[in-house]
Amino acid sequence: GAVVSQHPSRVICKSGTSVKIECRSLDFQATTMFWYRQFPKKSLMLMATSNEGSKATYEQGVEKDKFLINHASLTLSTLTVTSAHPEDSSFYICSGGSGRGSYNEQFFGPGTRLTVL
Amino acid sequence: AQTVTQSQPEMSVQEAETVTLSCTYDTSESNYYLFWYKQPPSRQMILVIRQEAYKQQNATENRFSVNFQKAAKSFSLKISDSQLGDTAMYFCAFKTSGSRLTFGEGTQLTVNP
Repeated sequence: GAVVSQHPSRVICKSGTSVKIECRSLDFQATTMFWYRQFPKKSLMLMATSNEGSKATYEQGVEKDKFLINHASLTLSTLTVTSAHPEDSSFYICSGGSGRGSYNEQFFGPGTRLTVL
Repeated sequence: AQTVTQSQPEMSVQEAETVTLSCTYDTSESNYYLFWYKQPPSRQMILVIRQEAYKQQNATENRFSVNFQKAAKSFSLKISDSQLGDTAMYFCAFKTSGSRLTFGEGTQLTVNP
């Protein structure tokens, strides 16, 4: 399968600071990127969907001004958590889809653990 | 809206035995795709097996197979000859060609030595 990387894998920051998480498709062009949030022992919650070169579509209840998503190229999407607070601590996962194939398979990154002190 | 239900939050099985994880879904679509993903302690999501709704034959990948019952909207995963490395959270997921993945709540499977 195709490879998606995420950086950093872990980040600890102070409350009030901003954190940027990068998601890269290494061997395919991701026309669509998805960002998920996952709490311990829970399912993945879709936060937003982004298509290259256009604004992200956010799920209901997700603050677009807090979780800034940029999908500037076919291989890179970023999630910036602005003015992070302890309640933003979570595991964030990205996935990319190439748009190819009948079911447009998504390939998942390894995730980023964010801890806000 | 599509929904996916996994009714077993936790399951355990002895090494080398067989276990079946349940999944039901609700949709009005006639063509769609179903998936089982594995999330081990590393938390990397790994695709285990997929099934296209218009295919009647159940998908099989080595020790993993599914029982797809379209009329009943059921999509269970059978793991044969369970191994310690199968210990993970398993998510059932649903997708149509133009939509995003909808995940179930997950089943934590523990394989005991």
